[in-house]
Amino acid sequence: AQSVTQLDSQVPVFEEAPVELRCNYSSSVSVYLFWYVQYPNQGLQLLLKYLSGSTLVKGINGFEAEFNKSQTSFHLRKPSVHISDTAEYFCAVTLNNAGNMLTFGGGTRLMVKP
Amino acid sequence: NAGVTQTPKFQVLKTGQSMTLQCAQDMNHNSMYWYRQDPGMGLRLIYYSASEGTTDKGEVPNGYNVSRLNKREFSLRLESAAPSQTSVYFCASTLSTDRGGTQYFGPGTRLTVL
Repeated sequence: AQSVTQLDSQVPVFEEAPVELRCNYSSSVSVYLFWYVQYPNQGLQLLLKYLSGSTLVKGINGFEAEFNKSQTSFHLRKPSVHISDTAEYFCAVTLNNAGNMLTFGGGTRLMVKP
Repeated sequence: NAGVTQTPKFQVLKTGQSMTLQCAQDMNHNSMYWYRQDPGMGLRLIYYSASEGTTDKGEVPNGYNVSRLNKREFSLRLESAAPSQTSVYFCASTLSTDRGGTQYFGPGTRLTVL
């Protein structure tokens, strides 16, 4: 079975600073990888996803993530954060033949300070 | 398009009471899912419906039942609520033929069981 670990439960950062949110997964077969964002009191929405091809994936709101197969990681980055990026971020995986069922990490709360 | 809608937004129950959480989507998606979100644990799959007329257990199905009423609607029932079911519940849907399918989430139902 696959699993997802988000190494930081909270990441405080100042506005306009860069940020990296870490995600590692374990699976014995190929996976698809996702980052979702949850703004306060809302549902989740997709930031970006990796299915195949280029290992650097660009998403909405200036976020990007890099798939590293040898390290089984899919870290999320943004070069300069805004107050409006304050949210909870979830990494998720699905097996590429698993009926699109997602396994989520525990989430990372990004707190952007002025 | 309203996307994925959920009712109610908030609910307080006493131990042993029953209730049904409603979910509907207007995107003509085939697959629908119910998750629960608990602090530090991300989202965990309760039940899913790959297509109209089928339902299957996810990671944490105990204490819940589901009904796929039609292609649009997927309800979650708690027959005898317990304090351990205090959580935020999210419904999601996806077009099952979408490779690495993006799931679209509702706004959630916050349930407290006293």
